[in-house]
Amino acid sequence: DADVTQTPRNRITKTGKRIMLECSQTKGHDRMYWYRQDPGLGLRLIYYSFDVKDINKGEISDGYSVSRQAQAKFSLSLESAIPNQTALYFCATSEGGLYQFFGPGTRLTVL
Amino acid sequence: GQNIDQPTEMTATEGAIVQINCTYQTSGFNGLFWYQQHAGEAPTFLSYNVLDGLEEKGRFSSFLSRSKGYSYLLLKELQMKDSASYLCAVRDGSQGNLIFGKGTKLSVKP
Repeated sequence: DADVTQTPRNRITKTGKRIMLECSQTKGHDRMYWYRQDPGLGLRLIYYSFDVKDINKGEISDGYSVSRQAQAKFSLSLESAIPNQTALYFCATSEGGLYQFFGPGTRLTVL
Repeated sequence: GQNIDQPTEMTATEGAIVQINCTYQTSGFNGLFWYQQHAGEAPTFLSYNVLDGLEEKGRFSSFLSRSKGYSYLLLKELQMKDSASYLCAVRDGSQGNLIFGKGTKLSVKP
């Protein structure tokens, strides 16, 4: 079984819809992260969480929200999706902030 | 500000050696990472440097000079499967988050 899983793996939606991307981990890591990756722009941090009650904004948090439901689960929501949120989204985990382990990614297309 | 620079694309021949450079200017520094990412897949950890010098791991080596804000990833005995993007990332000094460069797409040709 994969250590970091993301659902769904692919999603096509329409402008204005609410979307939730989910991430689960079995590594027992304390820290979890959400990134988006766009061609030519690299990986950019959206939100991160050091523990269940700790949520922090990253570089590009506008238009996104997150929830850390348990140590093992971290979900990303787009309240009202727009086309420029079309991207590849990665969840990552780390223990104490050192090595980050990435999930397989969710490819989101907003029409 | 935070800035990490690496070449956008490189091409090399199977069996050869290639060096991918990374320069950085960040407000803090707590280590430098290299990740490999095949197209459409997750980044996977390759190497970590926190002190100056060379770290060797099989066909891959990574070098760091903190005074110069410079690192390189050296890949030896290139194989076709090494065709991928290579991401340089600096761990910042405050929260310990990673700041990623835009990646270098390496194409290995027969």
